[in-house]
Amino acid sequence: AQKVTQAQTEISVVEKEDVTLDCVYETRDTTYYLFWYKQPPSGELVFLIRRNSFDEQNEISGRYSWNFQKSTSSFNFTITASQVVDSAVYFCARTSGSRLTFGEGTQLTVNP
Amino acid sequence: EAQVTQNPRYLITVTGKKLTVTCSQNMNHEYMSWYRQDPGLGLRQIYYSMNVEVTDKGDVPEGYKVSRKEKRNFPLILESPSPNQTSLYFCASSLVVGGPYNEQFFGPGTRLTVL
Repeated sequence: AQKVTQAQTEISVVEKEDVTLDCVYETRDTTYYLFWYKQPPSGELVFLIRRNSFDEQNEISGRYSWNFQKSTSSFNFTITASQVVDSAVYFCARTSGSRLTFGEGTQLTVNP
Repeated sequence: EAQVTQNPRYLITVTGKKLTVTCSQNMNHEYMSWYRQDPGLGLRQIYYSMNVEVTDKGDVPEGYKVSRKEKRNFPLILESPSPNQTSLYFCASSLVVGGPYNEQFFGPGTRLTVL
């Protein structure tokens, strides 16, 4: 199976620090989509961003930014000036045909 | 309100007792899917359905069945549950996977314990 790897199992930062969550994926597809989802302590899964394989532009949304590098098969997520409310598990995912494969998740804890 | 609903939200059962977890969406989405979430393993896809009467296996289909007789419903069936199926289950839907509208909308989750 083509994997999605989030090597950082847990990250702990102090509020206002910047933090980057890594995501590396395997694929043999030319066309695919990449995602980030957030799972706060309440348990629901919240969509953050979608990227297609032909669009390598970095994206910024408020304190969130995403860096997609096709050459290294990476789709990293940076939170600038982290806040306690950013504490959650974050999942990276990739489509493969009709399937969706998730990474193992990174537990981010932002301490006050 | 656009949503994916799952029932029950919590279930404790015993080995071998057949159960069904229901999933329903009101967004007229073609694609529906079931995932299980386990610590350290992330979410793993169990089964998915591209449309009515079209279902296919995901990465971990063993021990599960699904059906898609109506567009809005996609029940997950455990014919003979075993303790290794104790997990948190999510149903999700999206317009089409592999196309431009493929953000997954997730249900609230069902926590299943098999004793």
